[in-house]
Amino acid sequence: DAGVIQSPRHEVTEMGQEVTLRCKPISGHDYLFWYRQTMMRGLELLIYFNNNVPIDDSGMPEDRFSAKMPNASFSTLKIQPSEPRDSAVYFCASSPQRGAGTEAFFGQGTRLTVV
Amino acid sequence: AQRVTQPEKLLSVFKGAPVELKCNYSYSGSPELFWYVQYSRQRLQLLLRHISRESIKGFTADLNKGETSFHLKKPFAQEEDSAMYYCALIGAGNNRKLIWGLGTSLAVNP
Repeated sequence: DAGVIQSPRHEVTEMGQEVTLRCKPISGHDYLFWYRQTMMRGLELLIYFNNNVPIDDSGMPEDRFSAKMPNASFSTLKIQPSEPRDSAVYFCASSPQRGAGTEAFFGQGTRLTVV
Repeated sequence: AQRVTQPEKLLSVFKGAPVELKCNYSYSGSPELFWYVQYSRQRLQLLLRHISRESIKGFTADLNKGETSFHLKKPFAQEEDSAMYYCALIGAGNNRKLIWGLGTSLAVNP
């Protein structure tokens, strides 16, 4: 397995544009997480899914952010409209259904720059 | 409130020196504790978890429930240990939400 795959690796966009980040979790994993990483705040959980169903989206900063998981092998995080303060590295992670001690496997991240 | 605290944003040591990255947590119950590491230009990955009681790359971490700590230690730091280290916990039950510390950047100088 190639691990969690995210695309694009880098995205530069202008303020006001729509941005869509994509994630393919590891096959067979039931949980999918979206994180944002910044110097000031470290890692922030935005939302996570279990069996394609959003479980906790309390970390989504505002209505400009939305996430979907139409099937077990694909998820998107959309920002519309984007703002410069959204610039960060966005990580997707997945983990299997097993007990709480199971690790989360991370993608390589998407570095988003909004100018 | 559930919280993970890593008091040091940056830790700098010389090669061969002992290193300890501090992690304290606040959780009412029995959490599972983890250390994750992010090397430069690599993905975040699990370093070790307290339930495994293992040593990875010379690192160990002991869960101290009395002090609610899970400090990461290595007796002799190596330059390749330079990375960002995150402490995290998962609560008991089916909630899989990892609670993260803000991370400690470890720099091991030659």
